[in-house]
Amino acid sequence: RKEVEQDPGPFNVPEGATVAFNCTYSNSASQSFFWYRQDCRKEPKLLMSVYSSGNEDGRFTAQLNRASQYISLLIRDSKLSDSATYLCVVNSGTSYGKLTFGQGTILTVHP
Amino acid sequence: GAGVSQTPSNKVTEKGKYVELRCDPISGHTALYWYRQSLGQGPEFLIYFQGTGAADDSGLPNDRFFAVRPEGSVSTLKIQRTERGDSAVYLCASSLGWGGGTEAFFGQGTRLTVV
Repeated sequence: RKEVEQDPGPFNVPEGATVAFNCTYSNSASQSFFWYRQDCRKEPKLLMSVYSSGNEDGRFTAQLNRASQYISLLIRDSKLSDSATYLCVVNSGTSYGKLTFGQGTILTVHP
Repeated sequence: GAGVSQTPSNKVTEKGKYVELRCDPISGHTALYWYRQSLGQGPEFLIYFQGTGAADDSGLPNDRFFAVRPEGSVSTLKIQRTERGDSAVYLCASSLGWGGGTEAFFGQGTRLTVV
């Protein structure tokens, strides 16, 4: 089983749609969780950290369920500019600085 | 301010040759990470440094791969006897701390092609 697994995608949605991505992780000792965004042929960039209480940043909401070991990202009112690959990232519980990335989920928002 | 800088941006090499990939982290960042990314995949962890020492090198695929960070800033990833399967984008990232909870900033990567 991979350490971090994501919805396979791709997701193709119209502008204005709400879309949700899920991610599961295998190491129950993991402490830090993130969503990164990667545009085509560009480097990954931090979208948001994920906290146990859940957190929101504008149209983006991230949630963490430690008991089930999954993380979610909700995007409301999708924009064309949201088209990208979304990467779920988890730090290793045993090697604290090691960040493990999921495969990524491709989102395409169309007019 | 300057971000993470990686050189070269592209490298084409023949199978069996030796290559070095360089990473200049953001000034003051103590943690430095190397990843490689193949098409359609997420970044795959190779190694990370806290200061000059490799804190975790469990992702290096075999002994042809080696990385150094002698003065705690610039890092070099070295690949000996390159193979076609080594072709990928090699990404470097740095962060302020090693705690795993701080944001990692990535460079634009070195695209390595082994022919």
